[in-house]
Amino acid sequence: GNSVTQMEGPVTLSEEAFLTINCTYTATGYPSLFWYVQYPGEGLQLLLKATKADDKGSNKGFEATYRKETTSFHLEKGSVQVSDSAVYFCALRSAGKSTFGDGTTLTVKP
Amino acid sequence: GAVVSQHPSRVICKSGTSVKIECRSLDFQATTMFWYRQFPKQSLMLMATSNEGSKATYEQGVEKDKFLINHASLTLSTLTVTSAHPEDSSFYICSARGGEGGRTSTDTQYFGPGTRLTVL
Repeated sequence: GNSVTQMEGPVTLSEEAFLTINCTYTATGYPSLFWYVQYPGEGLQLLLKATKADDKGSNKGFEATYRKETTSFHLEKGSVQVSDSAVYFCALRSAGKSTFGDGTTLTVKP
Repeated sequence: GAVVSQHPSRVICKSGTSVKIECRSLDFQATTMFWYRQFPKQSLMLMATSNEGSKATYEQGVEKDKFLINHASLTLSTLTVTSAHPEDSSFYICSARGGEGGRTSTDTQYFGPGTRLTVL
C-alpha cells in the first residue's frame, strides 16, 4: 500500500534559521504530493502541493520539489519565523485516497 | 480559497449520549467528504469517505453503527457518534473535495478546523 515517511520531530530552530523537513513516499502510480500545516487546536491547512514529477510547490516562503527518482518531497524554508511553529504533515493522494505522514512538530524560538 | 467549517468546535458529553458533528463546505460543492480522527501527536486516521446521496464507505476497523455518517447535500455532511464512551474522545476532522468542473481542484482536500470531543 501507499505510505509516507516524515522526518521525526520535534524540530527546534532559532528564528531566521534554515528549515528542512524530509518526506519520502511509497506509492503505486503517480500520486500528487502535499504539505499541510496544523496550528495548535486547528485543522489542517494546505500549505503547498505538486502534482507531477519535478513540479515545485511554494507558498509563504516554503518550497518543496516533487522528486520522482528519489520518491521525496522535502519541505524547505530559508528563514523561519516564530509564527511558523506548528505541526507539518506530508501527504500523498493516489486513486482518490490520501495518506498522511505522522507529522513533524516545528518550534521556532525568538 | 475554499472554506470548510465544522460545528461545534468543542463538545463535552456524558458517556452513553450521542453527539452530532456538522461539516459544511461554504463556497463550493463537495461531492466527496472525508472524516478523520486524530489522536494527540499522531497523524490523521481516515474513518470514512462519503459521497453525496450515497452510503459512506468505512475504513477497516471503524464501526459504521457507532459512527453514523450522512452526506445529505453537496455542502453538508454529518458525523454522529452514537452511545459515546470515553475512548471516543478525540479530535475529529472533516475534509471536502470538489467535483469535476467546479471552482476547486478535484485533487485537493480542504479541511475543516476540527471538533474536539470529550466524553466524560
